Amino acid sequence: NAGVTQTPKFRVLKTGQSMTLLCAQDMNHEYMYWYRQDPGMGLRLIHYSVGEGTTAKGEVPDGYNVSRLKKQNFLLGLESAAPSQTSVYFCASSQSVYQHFGDGTRLSIL
Amino acid sequence: EDKVVQSPLSLVVHEGDTVTLNCSYEVTNFRSLLWYKQEKKAPTFLFMLTSSGIEKKSGRLSSILDKKELSSILNITATQTGDSAIYLCAVLFSGGGADGLTFGKGTHLIIQP
Repeated sequence: NAGVTQTPKFRVLKTGQSMTLLCAQDMNHEYMYWYRQDPGMGLRLIHYSVGEGTTAKGEVPDGYNVSRLKKQNFLLGLESAAPSQTSVYFCASSQSVYQHFGDGTRLSIL
Repeated sequence: EDKVVQSPLSLVVHEGDTVTLNCSYEVTNFRSLLWYKQEKKAPTFLFMLTSSGIEKKSGRLSSILDKKELSSILNITATQTGDSAIYLCAVLFSGGGADGLTFGKGTHLIIQP
């Protein structure tokens, strides 16, 4: 049972490039979330989804888009990467109570 | 605006010491408070607290919620170097069609041998 799997684990981008982070969960959870974690800032919610085909904005959504075409997958896209988006990105899923987290994607924008 | 505040932000103690980490919150539609431990990668779940005054305990770790004071503490007794981590407090609230977690900034705990 893999739980929550994030790919890739590391990525370096140039300013202006685009990319997609993939989150997959095998627990049949309804809710999925994308967070970013920056030093001294804790975890901040970017976007979340309450079910297949639905998405909603979190605390810091600007510069990101998401899609939940299949229940088990939640994709986070960066349309035009900026240095301010250098961060560690965590995906999480839940059914009702606590959230299960992936191991994170470390993203650097040069 | 909903807010979760943890203190201290960082703490260095010696092995064997007892530590108390604090979390206070200002969240509407409160449902529960969660503690996570984060070492190198994913945060891992420790406790969920819903009722005031009831202590949750797991080995050397314990936590309690005070709804009147809108706060929680996490205690670790007889600390070990393996307890070194970032401890995250998060409050679960209802609203907007989905339940959300608001995280504090975390307490970075370092246990020196």
